[in-house]
Amino acid sequence: QVQLVQSGSELKKPGASVKVSCKSSGYTFTGYAINWVRQAPGQGLEWIGWINTDTGNPTYAQGFTGRFVFSLDTSVTTTYLQIRSLKSEDTAVYYCGRDFSWGFDYWGQGTLVTVSS
Amino acid sequence: QSALTQPASVSGSPGQSITISCTGTSSDVGSYNLVSWYQQHPGKAPKLMIYEVSKRPSGVSNRFSASKSGNTASLTISGLQTDDEAEYYCCSYGGSSNVVFGGGTKLTVL
Repeated sequence: QVQLVQSGSELKKPGASVKVSCKSSGYTFTGYAINWVRQAPGQGLEWIGWINTDTGNPTYAQGFTGRFVFSLDTSVTTTYLQIRSLKSEDTAVYYCGRDFSWGFDYWGQGTLVTVSS
Repeated sequence: QSALTQPASVSGSPGQSITISCTGTSSDVGSYNLVSWYQQHPGKAPKLMIYEVSKRPSGVSNRFSASKSGNTASLTISGLQTDDEAEYYCCSYGGSSNVVFGGGTKLTVL
């Protein structure tokens, strides 16, 4: 069965970096793009962007260029979201989602990233 | 790209039907039949309920239906059940390999 399993919660200080992983299983990894979505506490879903798992080409939403970086390792069917120079406003749950006709049919369980001094 | 507009909250009684609207623009909802809807219970990951405007993934109840007219998409839930109480989000392809979400609608089943 299709599964996306994310890494555990992170507590970071402002200015630090964090790398969240999303391991895919149960399907052909390179056949589906992976999207990243952010949900700040008590807020709605915000699309960060997506990565083409066949070519490795990333696309970032407006407002997420520069500090947010997608990468992947096809040998372990895992995609990554790195956030550099963390700010308190980056505190959120980060989800990965498998692309399905520009929607997301399978989601990871979410990774809470807390940025606090 | 601005978020799609959804009502902040809707409510209904068990057995009733409710409709949640999702208004975008001619650059997103109005241009593409690529609207999806998600249900999110507190503390859980979102769940895909509708894709490509009106298609239901396998396993989603046929009490959930959706449509689109112009720049506005709509999700209808019939025969409301207590477990339907959740946050609902719409999402649309917005061109140039971009996606935009709605702000979310909290459904309360009274």
